[in-house]
Amino acid sequence: KAGVTQTPRYLIKTRGQQVTLSCSPISGHRSVSWYQQTPGQGLQFLFEYFSETQRNKGNFPGRFSGRQFSNSRSEMNVSTLELGDSALYLCASSLSRSYEQYFGPGTRLTVT
Amino acid sequence: AQSVAQPEDQVNVAEGNPLTVKCTYSVSGNPYLFWYVQYPNRGLQFLLKYITGDNLVKGSYGFEAEFNKSQTSFHLKKPSALVSDSALYFCAVSYGNTGGFKTIFGAGTRLFVKA
Repeated sequence: KAGVTQTPRYLIKTRGQQVTLSCSPISGHRSVSWYQQTPGQGLQFLFEYFSETQRNKGNFPGRFSGRQFSNSRSEMNVSTLELGDSALYLCASSLSRSYEQYFGPGTRLTVT
Repeated sequence: AQSVAQPEDQVNVAEGNPLTVKCTYSVSGNPYLFWYVQYPNRGLQFLLKYITGDNLVKGSYGFEAEFNKSQTSFHLKKPSALVSDSALYFCAVSYGNTGGFKTIFGAGTRLFVKA
């Protein structure tokens, strides 16, 4: 089975711009979660999607949004980028809550 | 507030010695508990999980973890450390219901195994 894929792997954006990150889960996995990883804050939960519905959201501002498509692929969007949004964004898929999550390699976003 | 604590930023052990990486949590209900490992330039990989049942769970690469409900702890252990075990280890707690779940991670513990 192919693993979780994320595109692009690296991204450099300017403050004020917006960005869209993409995640393709493992085939058959309907739950997709997004995380932000930074040296200072560690891994922080952004949101979880299941069957195209956002079921849970972390404590991030409304500039962070996402969606999931019928094929379980998910996108994450960050509008009006700030310098503090520079981070590694990780996507993870799983069968359900009681199952382990499989992580993609991440998208390294740098905001200048 | 729900939280996961990994009290040690770094753990140093000699190869061949036993290792323990500590994790405690404060989450209501019956959370599901996980350990993940992150090697340099590689993504997070699942090691083991506790859902229910036996308090001692075994996982990948010879790791095991002990769940203690009264102490709300889920410590990661290995009887004999290898240099190749050197990595960043994360404890994670998943909570919620059929309507959805959240997973919160500890800050991570860097394990150094010295030859």
